Amino acid sequence: GENVEQHPSTLSVQEGDSAVIKCTYSDSASNYFPWYKQELGKRPQLIIDIRSNVGEKKDQRIAVTLNKTAKHFSLHITETQPEDSAVYFCAANNAGNMLTFGGGTRLMVKP
Amino acid sequence: ETGVTQTPRHLVMGMTNKKSLKCEQHLGHNAMYWYKQSAKKPLELMFVYNFKEQTENNSVPSRFSPECPNSSHLFLHLHTLQPEDSALYLCASSQDQGFTDTQYFGPGTRLTVL
Repeated sequence: GENVEQHPSTLSVQEGDSAVIKCTYSDSASNYFPWYKQELGKRPQLIIDIRSNVGEKKDQRIAVTLNKTAKHFSLHITETQPEDSAVYFCAANNAGNMLTFGGGTRLMVKP
Repeated sequence: ETGVTQTPRHLVMGMTNKKSLKCEQHLGHNAMYWYKQSAKKPLELMFVYNFKEQTENNSVPSRFSPECPNSSHLFLHLHTLQPEDSALYLCASSQDQGFTDTQYFGPGTRLTVL
């Protein structure tokens, strides 16, 4: 089955700096890679996703890159703000069309 | 957000109790999912229903029993649980069980088993 590894598990940055979270996956058939943000006590919410027919996607301060050859994808957040503090999860779909999630990254943005 | 709702939000039960978790989605979706979120572990998929039919049971113990009476409602019936079953149980829905269909999550039920 699919295996998704996510690093780092915790990340602390100064407000205004960039943050990068990386994930690797094992199933070469995966072709959909969403990123979810979960604030404390709240539900996971989709913030951006990428499909395997593109290598990069941007939405304002958030971008995701995908390297299918190396089987890794990354989330980039620029100009971080305190409200970006949350746990971020990456995921990849497997051959059964279901999502396997990474272990999560706790991002702390210090004002 | 009211797209996917879950009740109750918090539940405390003893190991001999029987209780049910309820999920309702108002998005017109056809696929619904149960996930378990434990501390320091990845989100674990438990069950998937597509058009009311169970399409995935991810080796979940029989003390968890799902029910999907229609595409808008999903239940998780609980009986004789163990303390290690304490976790946040999240429901999600997507348009279909499609290859790249976005999943939308409910707020979760925080379950504590004493």
